Amino acid sequence: QKEVEQDPGPLSVPEGAIVSLNCTYSNSAFQYFMWYRQYSRKGPELLMYTYSSGNKEDGRFTAQVDKSSKYISLFIRDSQPSDSATYLCAMTPTGTASKLTFGTGTRLQVTL
Amino acid sequence: EAGVVQSPRYKIIEKKQPVAFWCNPISGHNTLYWYLQNLGQGPELLIRYENEEAVDDSQLPKDRFSAERLKGVDSTLKIQPAELGDSAVYLCASSSGGGLGQGAGSYNEQFFGPGTRLTVL
Repeated sequence: QKEVEQDPGPLSVPEGAIVSLNCTYSNSAFQYFMWYRQYSRKGPELLMYTYSSGNKEDGRFTAQVDKSSKYISLFIRDSQPSDSATYLCAMTPTGTASKLTFGTGTRLQVTL
Repeated sequence: EAGVVQSPRYKIIEKKQPVAFWCNPISGHNTLYWYLQNLGQGPELLIRYENEEAVDDSQLPKDRFSAERLKGVDSTLKIQPAELGDSAVYLCASSSGGGLGQGAGSYNEQFFGPGTRLTVL
């Protein structure tokens, strides 16, 4: 069993929809939880990160972490075609110079 | 500010041939990472450097893979000989060191390059 599980999708939604992306994990040592976005033939880019449990909002994006359930989520409001990409969750025990453990990524397609 | 630079972007070779990938991190970033990304998978760490020292190479298949970061700046990852299963995207990332006294909750972002897509025939 992988340390981080993520539904690979693909997930197709109409423009304007609310998107929910999720990951589960098994390693209790993870303290930092990241969401990266990866466009086709590009490297991953950081969307946002959360430390420990709680919520964090940045524009149309909201990240939630529930450490008791070992479950993290990313919500995208008012989804746009430009949000079409693969979304990777990643986790690490420490915030500095550490190995990131990634999920498989969920491919999202936002249609007009 | 320039991002992480990788070259070549694409490489096609026949099995058993050697291949090398180059990475130039963001200026001032002392931590450099090489990740392997198979199709439909998330990146997996191969090796992490702090300056010129490899501090985590536990996932690097040392029978055929090698890496170096001689002056603590740019880095080269080599495969010799390549196998069919090595076809993947090789990503380089860099981050600044947090140093002493970095508070809990602070994350030193890993910035990724565009990757080198390797095809082994």
